[in-house]
Amino acid sequence: SQKIEQNSEALNIQEGKTATLTCNYTNYSPAYLQWYRQDPGRGPVFLLLIRENEKEKRKERLKVTFDTTLKQSLFHITASQPADSATYLCAPSGDSWGKFQFGAGTQVVVTP
Amino acid sequence: NAGVMQNPRHLVRRRGQEARLRCSPMKGHSHVYWYRQLPEEGLKFMVYLQKENIIDESGMPKERFSAEFPKEGPSILRIQQVVRGDSAAYFCASSPPTGTSEAFFGQGTRLTVV
Repeated sequence: SQKIEQNSEALNIQEGKTATLTCNYTNYSPAYLQWYRQDPGRGPVFLLLIRENEKEKRKERLKVTFDTTLKQSLFHITASQPADSATYLCAPSGDSWGKFQFGAGTQVVVTP
Repeated sequence: NAGVMQNPRHLVRRRGQEARLRCSPMKGHSHVYWYRQLPEEGLKFMVYLQKENIIDESGMPKERFSAEFPKEGPSILRIQQVVRGDSAAYFCASSPPTGTSEAFFGQGTRLTVV
């Protein structure tokens, strides 16, 4: 069955450092992969989308890589800020019917 | 362009009652997804609908749960004879009909069964 794995433990990081999150998937052949941010009590918000033929995508302080051979995506937050504290979800997508399945998410805590 | 609207934001039901959760997708979006989220857990896919069609309901419990997305009006997630274990946040998301696109989420309905 399809499986999406993200670091289950919270990532505690000091302000200014780079946070790196991992998303691994199995039994998927996603055409693209998305990353979302979720704050407590709120719905997820889209951050970045990377296609299978793209190795890397950047948006401001965010960087995503996508390795279809390893079936893995890495999500980087550079120069992290306390406002980046949230849970980050990955969603390999476009496999069939456009269904969105999410990983359990990784909580990031940025301390000043 | 209003975002995805869910109502009510909070819903309290007694065991055995019915819960009806509504979701109005963004204008122009014809794909709707429902997810359930328990405290401290991830989003669990429930059902994927297009107008008047259920495309994938592989995440829906076999009993008591149903969903629809009529030609007119919002998408409805219905839970009959609610039990305490149904208490959770239910999120709806929508996406456009064509191409590669992200999902836009509503703020969720928090269901509490007492």
